[in-house]
Amino acid sequence: SQTIHQWPATLVQPVGSPLSLECTVEGTSNPNLYWYRQAAGRGLQLLFYSVGIGQISSEVPQNLSASRPQDRQFILSSKKLLLSDSGFYLCAWKGYVGAFFGQGTRLTVV
Amino acid sequence: TQLLEQSPQFLSIQEGENLTVYCNSSSVFSSLQWYRQEPGEGPVLLVTVVTGGEVKKLKRLTFQFGDARKDSSLHITAAQPGDTGLYLCAGGDNFNKFYFGSGTKLNVKP
Repeated sequence: SQTIHQWPATLVQPVGSPLSLECTVEGTSNPNLYWYRQAAGRGLQLLFYSVGIGQISSEVPQNLSASRPQDRQFILSSKKLLLSDSGFYLCAWKGYVGAFFGQGTRLTVV
Repeated sequence: TQLLEQSPQFLSIQEGENLTVYCNSSSVFSSLQWYRQEPGEGPVLLVTVVTGGEVKKLKRLTFQFGDARKDSSLHITAAQPGDTGLYLCAGGDNFNKFYFGSGTKLNVKP
């Protein structure tokens, strides 16, 4: 069966510091991968999606970037974090029936 | 960007009551999913509906896809405290882009 791993679970970073969140998928090949951000108690905002190695589509202009260096690895990065980057970040892969999520990363920028 | 609007945004009911959550869009979806999310965790897929007019039942939960595939509803019969959580609808017009609704936060009081 497919599993998705996302880490770290929580992260506190100072303003201006870099960010790297990693997501890996097991049990499937060439998955569609997604990064979402979620405000407390609200819906998920699509940030990036990828249909293959090196292929990144950005949904919202922002302080973040994404990369897909390997088939089952998806990375969310920032060179300099802003306070507004705080939130709950979720990685997902999407199969035919729907999306399956990692545990999420709670990022607090201070 | 395809906008998915959910209503109501918040719902607080007593155990045993029935409720309906709505998901509406001006766009047509090839499929639509419903998810339930607990605080601090990723959303968990409940159901996928594909055919216009389709009705699916999952124990006390009934999901319906509109005839025009632009809207969906989730009906819970005899709600229980264990149903408490954030309910999210999601869909896309193709296999790659995948958007979530704004969410309905349900609280079932014992």
